[in-house]
Amino acid sequence: DAGVTQSPTHLIKTRGQQVTLRCSPKSGHDTVSWYQQALGQGPQFIFQYYEEEERQRGNFPDRFSGHQFPNYSSELNVNALWLGDSALYLCASSLAGGSEDTQYFGPGTRLTVL
Amino acid sequence: AQSVTQLDSQVPVFEEAPVELRCNYSSSVSVYLFWYVQYPNQGLQLLLKYLSGSTLVKGINGFEAEFNKSQTSFHLRKPSVHISDTAEYFCAVSDDGQGGKLIFGQGTELSVKP
Repeated sequence: DAGVTQSPTHLIKTRGQQVTLRCSPKSGHDTVSWYQQALGQGPQFIFQYYEEEERQRGNFPDRFSGHQFPNYSSELNVNALWLGDSALYLCASSLAGGSEDTQYFGPGTRLTVL
Repeated sequence: AQSVTQLDSQVPVFEEAPVELRCNYSSSVSVYLFWYVQYPNQGLQLLLKYLSGSTLVKGINGFEAEFNKSQTSFHLRKPSVHISDTAEYFCAVSDDGQGGKLIFGQGTELSVKP
């Protein structure tokens, strides 16, 4: 039973560039959430996707956008990167309305913006 | 608005000693509480969760936590720690218990020394 997978593992970009991060949810899950974890901080909620639509959003600018595909996998896009976007980006999956309401996290993508 | 405060940023302890990691929350609605562990260069793994019922919750790896509504606390305990418990621990709160947005504390770094 595959858990949550994310790609790539590491990424280096320069200011002003755009980046796309990918996530495949745990088998049987239909909901994907994205979090940003800056160094030495707790994760911060970016947004959540269910049925290919954004269901909840945290306090992040419009430069952060996402997408969910029919197979429930998801992408996080960040435009106009700046130094402060350097962080570990975590994807979590869950099953909407299920009795098991836990979010399972992937290993993360480490983004460095130079 | 919900928030989580982890009262200790670092907790050093000797192997086989007991440990308590403290977590306080604020919320105006029903809360669902979680503890996650993050090993170096990995994602988050759920240790335990409180949704309802018994206020004493047992989790994996010998950890347990007690929900105290009057003190708005959800402290994590383990009677005897191992070197392998060295990691970052995060307390989190949700207001829907259905896999929705998690709000995390800043984390507590547990360092177990031989």
